[in-house]
Amino acid sequence: GAVVSQHPSWVICKSGTSVKIECRSLDFQATTMFWYRQFPKQSLMLMATSNEGSKATYEQGVEKDKFLINHASLTLSTLTVTSAHPEDSSFYICSASDLSSYNSPLHFGNGTRLTVT
Amino acid sequence: LAKTTQPISMDSYEGQEVNITCSHNNIATNDYITWYQQFPSQGPRFIIQGYKTKVTNEVASLFIPADRKSSTLSLPRVSLSDTAVYYCLVGDGSFYGGATNKLIFGTGTLLAVQP
Repeated sequence: GAVVSQHPSWVICKSGTSVKIECRSLDFQATTMFWYRQFPKQSLMLMATSNEGSKATYEQGVEKDKFLINHASLTLSTLTVTSAHPEDSSFYICSASDLSSYNSPLHFGNGTRLTVT
Repeated sequence: LAKTTQPISMDSYEGQEVNITCSHNNIATNDYITWYQQFPSQGPRFIIQGYKTKVTNEVASLFIPADRKSSTLSLPRVSLSDTAVYYCLVGDGSFYGGATNKLIFGTGTLLAVQP
C-alpha cells in the first residue's frame, strides 16, 4: 500500500533556531500533501496544503512566514519551523494521496515530535 | 466541508464487538466516509472507506444507511491493541485528475479496551 515517510521522527531544538521536517511519498506521486499539527490529547489540526510547484495554502491563523512549506517534487514536501519557540512544540504530521488511484484515501506519515527548549 | 460528530469515548472488553457511530448530517453527494485509527505519538492509520451501504475489509466493517447522514464503524472481537482514537472523516475523494479536498478532523472517539 501507499507509504508516507516523515523525517525526523523527533527533534529537540533551542528557541530561535529553525527546524526542517521532511515528508516523502515512497511508492506513489503526490501533487498535494497536507500538514497537520496535534497537541496532546487533541485532534489533528490542518495547518496547510502543500502543492507541488506552487505556493502552499495556509489555514486561517497559521503564519506562513513561520511555517515555510516547500513542495519541490511529486514525492517530497518539507515544513520548516522558523525561529522556533516553546509554544511551537507539538506533533507535526503530513499526509498525501496516491493520484494514480481514484478515490485513494489519504495516507499519513508517522509524525514528528518537535520539542523547543 | 461536512462536520462530523462522534462520541468522545467508549469502553469495551476484549472479544466484544464495538460499534462507533459518526454523524455527518451535511454530507455532500460527492463525499466519501473514511475512518482512521490513531495510536499515541503515531500518525493516523487508514481503516476503511465507503460511500454507501456496507463495506467490509479484513479489520472492520462500515455501515452506511441510505440517507448517508451517519455511519457506523464495526470492529469485531476487539483486543487490547485496539485501544486507540478513531476518527471519522467525510470529504470528496476526487484526488484523481488533480482535484483535491482537505480532510478536517473532528474530536475522534477514544476507545478503551479492557481485559
